[in-house]
Amino acid sequence: DTGVSQDPRHKITKRGQNVTFRCDPISEHNRLYWYRQTLGQGPEFLTYFQNEAQLEKSRLLSDRFSAERPKGSFSTLEIQRTEQGDSAMYLCASSLVLSGEQFFGPGTRLTVL
Amino acid sequence: EDQVTQSPEALRLQEGESSSLNCSYTVSGLRGLFWYRQDPGKGPEFLFTLYSAGEEKEKERLKATLTKKESFLHITAPKPEDSATYLCAVPSYNQGGKLIFGQGTELSVKP
Repeated sequence: DTGVSQDPRHKITKRGQNVTFRCDPISEHNRLYWYRQTLGQGPEFLTYFQNEAQLEKSRLLSDRFSAERPKGSFSTLEIQRTEQGDSAMYLCASSLVLSGEQFFGPGTRLTVL
Repeated sequence: EDQVTQSPEALRLQEGESSSLNCSYTVSGLRGLFWYRQDPGKGPEFLFTLYSAGEEKEKERLKATLTKKESFLHITAPKPEDSATYLCAVPSYNQGGKLIFGQGTELSVKP
């Protein structure tokens, strides 16, 4: 069990650029979640997948955000035309069953200049 | 609306000074309450799951308890390495198991 991994760990970009993050869940986990966390706050839900199907998206996820999980394995989160307000820690988590424990990756810290 | 509130926001303790963190929740049908530890710049690390009122879980100097309205994380004789932010979360009842988090309690233990 190698845990949840995320890449890159840090990303600095200029406003208006597109960025893409990757998450590799624990191999046998069929649920994958994306959260966003800002300083001093708990993580906020963005979207989740069961296998390759994206089943829910938060209202926080504007049209500039898109997520995929091809083949039900790794997932990508893309942000188009980044804004300074997108600066945050983006966390990925995976779980084995509904309402089971979610295990988090180390996160990707995004800074938009 | 499902909601989780943690208190205090920050707690400073001397090494060996025991205390408790509080997590109050409002959710339509509790399907578990999770405690996580988060170190600066890292993802949350899973600590405990509690499923029913009266349940207790222990790990080293930490003990988590659950009532029908709140959960406590008791820290006995803390050490500096226990310094971290402690988060509690509940799964949203009708929304695919997404976690609703409190804002966290930032614990600092001084030697």
